[in-house]
Amino acid sequence: DTEVTQTPKHLVMGMTNKKSLKCEQHMGHRAMYWYKQKAKKPPELMFVYSYEKLSINESVPSRFSPECPNSSLLNLHLHALQPEDSALYLCASSQGPGGFGYTFGSGTRLTVV
Amino acid sequence: DAKTTQPNSMESNEEEPVHLPCNHSTISGTDYIHWYRQLPSQGPEYVIHGLTSNVNNRMASLEIAEDRKSSTLILHRATLRDAAVYYCILYTGGFKTIFGAGTRLFVKA
Repeated sequence: DTEVTQTPKHLVMGMTNKKSLKCEQHMGHRAMYWYKQKAKKPPELMFVYSYEKLSINESVPSRFSPECPNSSLLNLHLHALQPEDSALYLCASSQGPGGFGYTFGSGTRLTVV
Repeated sequence: DAKTTQPNSMESNEEEPVHLPCNHSTISGTDYIHWYRQLPSQGPEYVIHGLTSNVNNRMASLEIAEDRKSSTLILHRATLRDAAVYYCILYTGGFKTIFGAGTRLFVKA
């Protein structure tokens, strides 16, 4: 299995809702990442987990809450989002630090209404 | 963070080679040059990487200037499926990989 699987593929949520994005990989990668991508822009790093511990938080607002329950799974919990948070949320994994390549999922297209 | 500069867009004809340039004048001796591409409605995918020597794989070739201040990704025969945004990234170590603006490649039939 050489894939990163993200669910759901599309999500529409209200500003008062709580929802979660899920990411799964079975490649034995020990680093997992969340990126946010707005239309026509490059991906922006949000969080990095290494060996299931939060390694990097790029000053992301607390309405985004990451969780890494085990080495194969990464969640992003969403609460009280704003319309400007609408974007493509990408998950990626790598064997270690990203120097030898990331594997990205296809993303979750999030719309906040 | 180390920076890269790429043209906003390029156009190519199908079945012809494409040379995608990248400038990275602030590169340091241990920085790797990585290329990713992002097809429409997909996440980025790894293409190739190198340090000093030119590199080839099944997807592309990477030519690195002798002073390492620039590099070129070469697609030997562009197909319509190669239409994507191509990102040149300097990997400086650790877990932080920062994407630049990238080059949008259009391929004409």
